[in-house]
Amino acid sequence: SAVISQKPSRDICQRGTSLTIQCQVDSQVTMMFWYRQQPGQSLTLIATANQGSEATYESGFVIDKFPISRPNLTFSTLTVSNMSPEDSSIYLCSVGTPTLAFFGQGTRLTVV
Amino acid sequence: GNSVTQMEGPVTLSEEAFLTINCTYTATGYPSLFWYVQYPGEGLQLLLKATKADDKGSNKGFEATYRKETTSFHLEKGSVQVSDSAVYFCALSEDTGGFKTIFGAGTRLFVKA
Repeated sequence: SAVISQKPSRDICQRGTSLTIQCQVDSQVTMMFWYRQQPGQSLTLIATANQGSEATYESGFVIDKFPISRPNLTFSTLTVSNMSPEDSSIYLCSVGTPTLAFFGQGTRLTVV
Repeated sequence: GNSVTQMEGPVTLSEEAFLTINCTYTATGYPSLFWYVQYPGEGLQLLLKATKADDKGSNKGFEATYRKETTSFHLEKGSVQVSDSAVYFCALSEDTGGFKTIFGAGTRLFVKA
């Protein structure tokens, strides 16, 4: 199993600013995944964070908007840059095994 | 790529009614399949899972069977309660070196007393 600590749990930010979300896992993992859940929507994968290489972004997500760091096998950050109200969502990090996925508690972001 | 399709909601039922939420998937290989539930204002919770064909996952009266021949993983419950009102997400794991989760669009369930 894996325990994921994610912070902050929530934040209210001004438009045009950036927020960095941190995710700490209690074991070493090769890949970490970042998701977004917009209000009333499902979870959409933003990117895969690999240790030692650049993140792999899904269609519709770009590095300039969502830069990701992965300095070691237990930690990753996602930055939401130049925020607008449309970025108001829950952001979650995740790690997976063949039979189970583990999720952080999520960061509820409100952009005003 | 892999994908999950689930029935659109919302689904509205009376208490003690039978529930079915359809889910089909497209995948290469044999992914694990999951149902997650999200209660109003809360985070995602794993409801049940199945890791190979013909496995049945069950929890809290909910069941789903991994059907490889029909690529389906339909969620069922014999008698729903008001407290089952939530959004239900069907999902699968995809092996990309790590295992990422691909979610369906979600089905909102309302149960009336």
